[in-house]
Amino acid sequence: GEDVEQSLFLSVREGDSSVINCTYTDSSSTYLYWYKQEPGAGLQLLTYIFSNMDMKQDQRLTVLLNKKDKHLSLRIADTQTGDSAIYFCAEGSGGSYIPTFGRGTSLIVHP
Amino acid sequence: SQTIHQWPATLVQPVGSPLSLECTVEGTSNPNLYWYRQAAGRGLQLLFYSVGIGQISSEVPQNLSASRPQDRQFILSSKKLLLSDSGFYLCAWTYYGRDGNTIYFGEGSWLTVV
Repeated sequence: GEDVEQSLFLSVREGDSSVINCTYTDSSSTYLYWYKQEPGAGLQLLTYIFSNMDMKQDQRLTVLLNKKDKHLSLRIADTQTGDSAIYFCAEGSGGSYIPTFGRGTSLIVHP
Repeated sequence: SQTIHQWPATLVQPVGSPLSLECTVEGTSNPNLYWYRQAAGRGLQLLFYSVGIGQISSEVPQNLSASRPQDRQFILSSKKLLLSDSGFYLCAWTYYGRDGNTIYFGEGSWLTVV
């Protein structure tokens, strides 16, 4: 079945850029998502990208998609302590009701 | 705009007691609705999803059940809770629009079974 893989932890210094990586297996994926979960809260949609796009930028966030390698990344510029959270990658296809989520990457930002 | 409400936010229940978590969505009609469980603050486990009133699909066999009595209402229940039912429960919905089947989550319910 479909699978989404992420590294579990990432530690960066405040002010540096963070890059969170994700790989997926479903070649029919049409939408790819990034969610942020702060402690004790639900998942908040950060951004999404269509599979026919290579890049999407939204303020400090840049999403890169390599469809050939089925690799998705989220770059956070000028990382702040408020960016500390768990980041989930997810993929979905138009024909499925159920997106597939990765296990989440814990981003720890050091002052 | 669409919003999702989930309650209660926190509850502590004894083993063997019943459970009812409720979720409602506002601002849309005929959404797909989901219940997820997240253990130890990590990966999401899909428990149930529903594509319409009275239509429930179960993803894992367990001590829980779900019901959808109204179009925008989704309820997670148990007749007798187990210790292993403890966790963070998330309700979610999808809206098929310009951003595809993007899934939106409620704020979650913390359940501790003691």
